[in-house]
Amino acid sequence: DVKVTQSSRYLVKRTGEKVFLECVQDMDHENMFWYRQDPGLGLRLIYFSYDVKMKEKGDIPEGYSVSREKKERFSLILESASTNQTSMYLCASSTGLAGGEQYFGPGTRLTVT
Amino acid sequence: GQNIDQPTEMTATEGAIVQINCTYQTSGFNGLFWYQQHAGEAPTFLSYNVLDGLEEKGRFSSFLSRSKGYSYLLLKELQMKDSASYLCAVSNYGGATNKLIFGTGTLLAVQP
Repeated sequence: DVKVTQSSRYLVKRTGEKVFLECVQDMDHENMFWYRQDPGLGLRLIYFSYDVKMKEKGDIPEGYSVSREKKERFSLILESASTNQTSMYLCASSTGLAGGEQYFGPGTRLTVT
Repeated sequence: GQNIDQPTEMTATEGAIVQINCTYQTSGFNGLFWYQQHAGEAPTFLSYNVLDGLEEKGRFSSFLSRSKGYSYLLLKELQMKDSASYLCAVSNYGGATNKLIFGTGTLLAVQP
């Protein structure tokens, strides 16, 4: 059974804190993605990675960075959390093939106070 | 630019048929996905279309017209458990790999 796991389901952080969100997949997928999901705005791509140590900006990368040191793990970093980063964060992975569906993790609901 | 439109909300009756439409404008089109997302859960894959026509999978079917930039998801014999958000997503080759651009989702409420 394919699996994408995220380190926390719920997280509460203070403004200015450094926040790490971890994602691990066990499907040997090349691609990994970080999204945030907000009411009325849908899923928006923050960053993605198509190989170890390779990363590309998505549509809303400002205020975020990522790290992919191993194929199975993709981390999202908020260098200095702000209240407008309160959101649901979803990680996904896929093969690099056209038509390769994305498998999503359960999500992390982050609240920044 | 890239744009995906789908209705915000729909309501249907248990046992009925409902069609959720999606229109898109994008470059580098590489197929269209539909995902289902129940409240508080992750999206799960429903269907993928890359060629024009209808793909049927049990109670769910998905249609694509590339020339019209149009797709729909058809749900038959609706059940209460089909109440969920349905996300249309266009696959786009982003230079390094394929990535998805999502619409904002259609929240379907199935009533008894």
